[in-house]
Amino acid sequence: GAVVSQHPSRVICKSGTSVKIECRSLDFQATTMFWYRQFPKQSLMLMATSNEGSKATYEQGVEKDKFLINHASLTLSTLTVTSAHPEDSSFYICSANPGTAGETQYFGPGTRLLVL
Amino acid sequence: GQQLNQSPQSMFIQEGEDVSMNCTSSSIFNTWLWYKQEPGEGPVLLIALYKAGELTSNGRLTAQFGITRKDSFLNISASIPSDVGIYFCAGRGGATNKLIFGTGTLLAVQP
Repeated sequence: GAVVSQHPSRVICKSGTSVKIECRSLDFQATTMFWYRQFPKQSLMLMATSNEGSKATYEQGVEKDKFLINHASLTLSTLTVTSAHPEDSSFYICSANPGTAGETQYFGPGTRLLVL
Repeated sequence: GQQLNQSPQSMFIQEGEDVSMNCTSSSIFNTWLWYKQEPGEGPVLLIALYKAGELTSNGRLTAQFGITRKDSFLNISASIPSDVGIYFCAGRGGATNKLIFGTGTLLAVQP
């Protein structure tokens, strides 16, 4: 299957700082990538859809100024958590859909964010 | 956000037993996907279903796309300890065409 990577795998930061998470499609190009957040013992919740060359589309209740998304190329999308607070601590997972695989969506390994 | 109803919530079984879990939705989906997630990792795709009534296998796993397009099930035969994890269904369809996740089924297999 298609490979999606994320970096870093885990990060600890102080409250008030910003954290950037990278999502890369390693063996395919993706005009669209997706960012999810998963709290402990819960399911994945879609935060936003990242579109290459245009603005991201955010889900209801997700602050676009807090979670900045940049889809600079067909293989890279970044999520920046600005002015992070402890309640932003979560597991952030990206995914992408290689167009040749129909509607299948492949996920990255996730990034564990802990805000102190 | 919207979620699918997935059941059971958890299962504790003996090695060798068969497992069945399902997802239901109030809306019609065009695609059903089944994923497995292990602690601290992202979901890994197990089976993808694209047509109503489709029955697809992947080794000991079998999944079906319900004919009403509002449900799907996943069966695991002859479970082994490495089957342990959380299984999620995910559906796509409707006006938004976004991938919506089920609530997950935690599977524990005792050797």
